[in-house]
Amino acid sequence: DTGVSQDPRHKITKRGQNVTFRCDPISEHNRLYWYRQTLGQGPEFLTYFQNEAQLEKSRLLSDRFSAERPKGSFSTLEIQRTEQGDSAMYLCASSTRGETQYFGPGTRLLVL
Amino acid sequence: GDSVTQMEGPVTLSEEAFLTINCTYTATGYPSLFWYVQYPGEGLQLLLKATKADDKGSNKGFEATYRKETTSFHLEKGSVQVSDSAVYFCALSVDLGGKLIFGQGTELSVKP
Repeated sequence: DTGVSQDPRHKITKRGQNVTFRCDPISEHNRLYWYRQTLGQGPEFLTYFQNEAQLEKSRLLSDRFSAERPKGSFSTLEIQRTEQGDSAMYLCASSTRGETQYFGPGTRLLVL
Repeated sequence: GDSVTQMEGPVTLSEEAFLTINCTYTATGYPSLFWYVQYPGEGLQLLLKATKADDKGSNKGFEATYRKETTSFHLEKGSVQVSDSAVYFCALSVDLGGKLIFGQGTELSVKP
């Protein structure tokens, strides 16, 4: 099964540290999405790429957040100077244009 | 802006009971509508979808009909099983293949 994979699955960090998450989409999918989910809430859109181009960014994506997809395959999401409010599940999804989004298992971040 | 509202949970039912989870939406244009499910310890999975008014999505005994006149996409199942216990998310996409906007989720617990 070559579904969407995310690494790491769990991350604990101290406030002020930088963290980076990786997402590997389904291989033939050209769109890749990042969402954030806090406890008891639905996922909230952060950003998405078509191939290597970042097509849309949410206002939730402050300047401490940066996402890249340098070769149109895997993507990274970096959070600089983490804050306790960044604690959440970070979800990645992929799709081909106009089709269903398939989600990865998520990376759970805890900022102490 | 575009939004999705779901009935609050948790919903607790006995096995073989009838299930309805209400979902209403606000959107410009003609969105596509989705139900995703998150089983304990697993990632989000697409349950069903409908892309235009009066379409009925169905899967695993679950159904939902896209009602433009009432801006609703209620999820129904005639006879729930313990294995249906999960969190259910209603979502919309204004551009099929674009970002998803989720409701807050409804937790379903089915007792034997």
